[in-house]
Amino acid sequence: AQKVTQAQTEISVVEKEDVTLDCVYETRDTTYYLFWYKQPPSGELVFLIRRNSFDEQNEISGRYSWNFQKSTSSFNFTITASQVVDSAVYFCALSATETSGSRLTFGEGTQLTVNP
Amino acid sequence: DARVTQTPRHKVTEMGQEVTMRCQPILGHNTVFWYRQTMMQGLELLAYFRNRAPLDDSGMPKDRFSAEMPDATLATLKIQPSEPRDSAVYFCASGLYVGGYSNQPQHFGDGTRLSIL
Repeated sequence: AQKVTQAQTEISVVEKEDVTLDCVYETRDTTYYLFWYKQPPSGELVFLIRRNSFDEQNEISGRYSWNFQKSTSSFNFTITASQVVDSAVYFCALSATETSGSRLTFGEGTQLTVNP
Repeated sequence: DARVTQTPRHKVTEMGQEVTMRCQPILGHNTVFWYRQTMMQGLELLAYFRNRAPLDDSGMPKDRFSAEMPDATLATLKIQPSEPRDSAVYFCASGLYVGGYSNQPQHFGDGTRLSIL
């Protein structure tokens, strides 16, 4: 079985603060993909990033960065200089082909509120 | 940008009525997923198809839910008869998988907000 845990249910920050969203995963597969999705108040799910299990390079995209560490089974997401528009629920997800096909297993989500 | 299109966006109906939700996947994607989001259960997979063939529908209550792909551009999720506990947001997602591996990530539609009274 696979599992994704986002221990932070809610985070509240003030604009321009940096914030890190934690994600820990469990899988027995050797090949898997990790994802982050954003769900703004309007309700849609927006794809942010996908990493495969063989690529542990950290990635930066504008104010967003991701830290993938297989040794700790973590895939954390940092927003630098947060903005009010970053307020949303963020989901970490795992797709492990060998044991569970292509399905995404989602974490519980972290509600991020950025206050002006 | 290519998008997954879901209709209707909102649906309110009475218990016992049939509900049909539709999804148009991104052109060229060969895998279509149906997910349900509720406060209690979060996001959970109901069923998915690859090349129009059902691969897994173990997440669906079989007695009332059915999922089909009549063609490559249309996936449907039906509930008959509907019950109040089916109230949720239903998401369709599509992706491209070759040899079991993801060539393109799953992109989601905007969802159907279903309320069963």
